[in-house]
Amino acid sequence: DIVLTQTPLSSPVTLGQPASISCRSSQSLVHSDGNTYLTWLQQRPGQPPRLLIYKISNRFSGVPDRFSGSGAGTDFTLQISRVEAEDVGVYYCMQATQFPRTFGQGTKVEIK
Amino acid sequence: EVRLLESGGGLVQPGGSLRLSCAASGFFFSSYAMSWVRQAPGKGLEWVSIISDSGDSTDYADSVKGRFTVSRDNSKNTLYLEVNGLRPEDTAIYYCVKDQYCGSHSCSPPDYWGQGTLVTVSS
Repeated sequence: DIVLTQTPLSSPVTLGQPASISCRSSQSLVHSDGNTYLTWLQQRPGQPPRLLIYKISNRFSGVPDRFSGSGAGTDFTLQISRVEAEDVGVYYCMQATQFPRTFGQGTKVEIK
Repeated sequence: EVRLLESGGGLVQPGGSLRLSCAASGFFFSSYAMSWVRQAPGKGLEWVSIISDSGDSTDYADSVKGRFTVSRDNSKNTLYLEVNGLRPEDTAIYYCVKDQYCGSHSCSPPDYWGQGTLVTVSS
């Protein structure tokens, strides 16, 4: 199985400041069709997960442009350019390149 | 608007069974694979199972293989998960997820999640 390792596991951030989360895969996430199916999810407290970013860097419908994704192969990053109060929650990377689907451990973003 | 509404969770004794359902609306249900993902209390996300758009192909996490069965009724826009031989470690919120549609060159992402249904396994 593909193991996704997120760092940090906790990220206290000042409002208006940037945040960055890393997701490292135990093997390449490039699919045989040439795409890389790495997604980022946000889970606010008491809510189900919500899709933020798909295929490394594509923002899903309705996602603010302060969220961006980057990376390639085995190393990926989610960046929040200026953290807002509504961004508090846990962020997960997930790979849909290979079965079984796997998730990172989650990174908790909180306000300092 | 995409809607996924899970039901069927509850308190069950170890070894017991449940049938979870997910009623889907707002998209062409029969065109998309569908997944179940679970989350134990205070823990991360664990993918459980997937079923193809037609229902003729399924896959399971090793932790549930042989005990859980995923199915779908495209005429009712409904996804199911039969959970048998339940163990305390199966206690979790079970989420229904609208999964991939694959075209000739690419697949869409798993994009919408339901609110979940809680399964508690305890004596």
